Amino acid sequence: GQQLNQSPQSMFIQEGEDVSMNCTSSSIFNTWLWYKQDPGEGPVLLIALYKAGELTSNGRLTAQFGITRKDSFLNISASIPSDVGIYFCAGQPPLSDDKIIFGKGTRLHILP
Amino acid sequence: DGGITQSPKYLFRKEGQNVTLSCEQNLNHDAMYWYRQDPGQGLRLIYYSQIVNDFQKGDIAEGYSVSREKKESFPLTVTSAQKNPTAFYLCASSSSGGTYEQYFGPGTRLTVT
Repeated sequence: GQQLNQSPQSMFIQEGEDVSMNCTSSSIFNTWLWYKQDPGEGPVLLIALYKAGELTSNGRLTAQFGITRKDSFLNISASIPSDVGIYFCAGQPPLSDDKIIFGKGTRLHILP
Repeated sequence: DGGITQSPKYLFRKEGQNVTLSCEQNLNHDAMYWYRQDPGQGLRLIYYSQIVNDFQKGDIAEGYSVSREKKESFPLTVTSAQKNPTAFYLCASSSSGGTYEQYFGPGTRLTVT
């Protein structure tokens, strides 16, 4: 089946640094979604992307739908302690009913 | 407040017992989903339902069962046939018709010993 490769698996950064993570696939997707999960909680939707090339911001977060439709990236600017968590990408393949596929997540650690 | 509720937050069961996890939403969403999350893993789809009285198996349906008798509710039963049931279970919902944005509940952590 289709898979999403999310990288990096984990990141250790200093507070105030910018962060970049991405999600790639060998297949095309019609929709890309980015979620954040805090420990022991359900994922929260951060950004949804519906069009190839689309660039969308949500506060300090910016995500883009790759022009090939096979990738997406998420940037976080000026990281703060509450950005710690796991970030998941998810994609909706063509003809998938209402199903989406999740990447395995990028775990973000912020060093004091 | 609109949202998805899952109960209980923590659940402990003995091996060989069936257990039912609750999921309720008041978002008026047509579609509902159950995922399983293991440490260091992404979310794997167990079952989903696009409409009342209908549901489909996901990637890891073996050992699980669901029902969808009401639009608001999508309970998941973890049966004794599930070989490795200890996990974090997440319920989600979405409106049908092309948005694909899924909204998640807070999750239930099931421990079977």
